[in-house]
Amino acid sequence: AQTVTQSQPEMSVQEAETVTLSCTYDTSESDYYLFWYKQPPSRQMILVIRQEAYKQQNATENRFSVNFQKAAKSFSLKISDSQLGDAAMYFCAYRRLRDSSYKLIFGSGTRLLVRP
Amino acid sequence: GAVVSQHPSRVICKSGTSVKIECRSLDFQATTMFWYRQFPKKSLMLMATSNEGSKATYEQGVEKDKFLINHASLTLSTLTVTSAHPEDSSFYICSARGMFGTRDEKLFFGSGTQLSVL
Repeated sequence: AQTVTQSQPEMSVQEAETVTLSCTYDTSESDYYLFWYKQPPSRQMILVIRQEAYKQQNATENRFSVNFQKAAKSFSLKISDSQLGDAAMYFCAYRRLRDSSYKLIFGSGTRLLVRP
Repeated sequence: GAVVSQHPSRVICKSGTSVKIECRSLDFQATTMFWYRQFPKKSLMLMATSNEGSKATYEQGVEKDKFLINHASLTLSTLTVTSAHPEDSSFYICSARGMFGTRDEKLFFGSGTQLSVL
């Protein structure tokens, strides 16, 4: 069975600084998707970034980028120039490529605090 | 962008009553909808997957008779918590999968429902 692990329950970053959130996963599949979702206090889940496992290039979305290490099964999220609005729970998620149901497996989450 | 509307956002009910939560895709057809449960400061746990016009697929450990799911149309899925008890109190989130073009498939989340059973 696939599992997703986020070992940092909480992280703190100074506004305008950079922070990296860690995620590791376990799977025997070779093709899959990885995601980072943000859940602000409103509790609305928001997709931050997506990575296809078959792509070697790391995905980027403005201030958000990932470090995808397939062999190590690691998928960290880097937030540059942190803003107060980045404060939220961040969930790493996994989905099998050949899963037609689009079922996501979530990690336990990391709470990000941004200090002004 | 595509929106998923979940209603109600908050509900308080007495023990033993049933509560229905609706999840609607507002501007796209959702071939599949998912229901999650989230305990305080915890991750999202998938409860069931529903496809329009067919029976829902429940995850292991989720009581089918307790959590009734109906996906009657391509834009509406409902979760009914039957004979609710305090241990059913939780945050419930739906998500909907839609196809936008031949290979552009996306997943959108509702804003969640906080259920409190007294």
